[in-house]
Amino acid sequence: DADVTQTPRNRITKTGKRIMLECSQTKGHDRMYWYRQDPGLGLRLIYYSFDVKDINKGEISDGYSVSRQAQAKFSLSLESAIPNQTALYFCATSDSAASGPDTQYFGPGTRLTVL
Amino acid sequence: LAKTTQPISMDSYEGQEVNITCSHNNIATNDYITWYQQFPSQGPRFIIQGYKTKVTNEVASLFIPADRKSSTLSLPRVSLSDTAVYYCLVVLIYNQGGKLIFGQGTELSVKP
Repeated sequence: DADVTQTPRNRITKTGKRIMLECSQTKGHDRMYWYRQDPGLGLRLIYYSFDVKDINKGEISDGYSVSRQAQAKFSLSLESAIPNQTALYFCATSDSAASGPDTQYFGPGTRLTVL
Repeated sequence: LAKTTQPISMDSYEGQEVNITCSHNNIATNDYITWYQQFPSQGPRFIIQGYKTKVTNEVASLFIPADRKSSTLSLPRVSLSDTAVYYCLVVLIYNQGGKLIFGQGTELSVKP
């Protein structure tokens, strides 16, 4: 979805380095999410935020931190990257005002390689 | 939320109708059935959702029997560009937000 952008799209880094992945959205949604995808494992939730002052851990938050700088921006940090954090990372958004079940809109992904 | 089970992979040819079945035996009254599509190196994209009977949009149809323990995503006359992974999810009927539980999905390969 072009309304959800992620930077960088690809990143190669070394073990121990601090890395920040950024997500921006123009959809006006209040909810934002960070997932990682590994081959054969589907997507797993790292952190999510329901508004600017709300941060919640997902199922695999260890080794990661997040910051919700504004309603439209949600960044994910790896404080000290390790090789098993090599994965495809996706940001997603959803709208609490929408009717029916939660529908999430995903960014294009960031491919991170930790050497 | 109910766990879903779907085939790991399917093959098809251009112009054929493809049906992907998902089982969700423990689906609850407050659950909706939702399907996402993911192309290689892209994020998942919502394609269709339903509660019961049949739902149709410009992309696909979703068939849900009365007991709601399974559902079938139908893609009419597939083309090469329909090659993707299709995920079946069960989502709470109320917009509470939170995590979506993606399984392995069904990898559909459309051949010429």
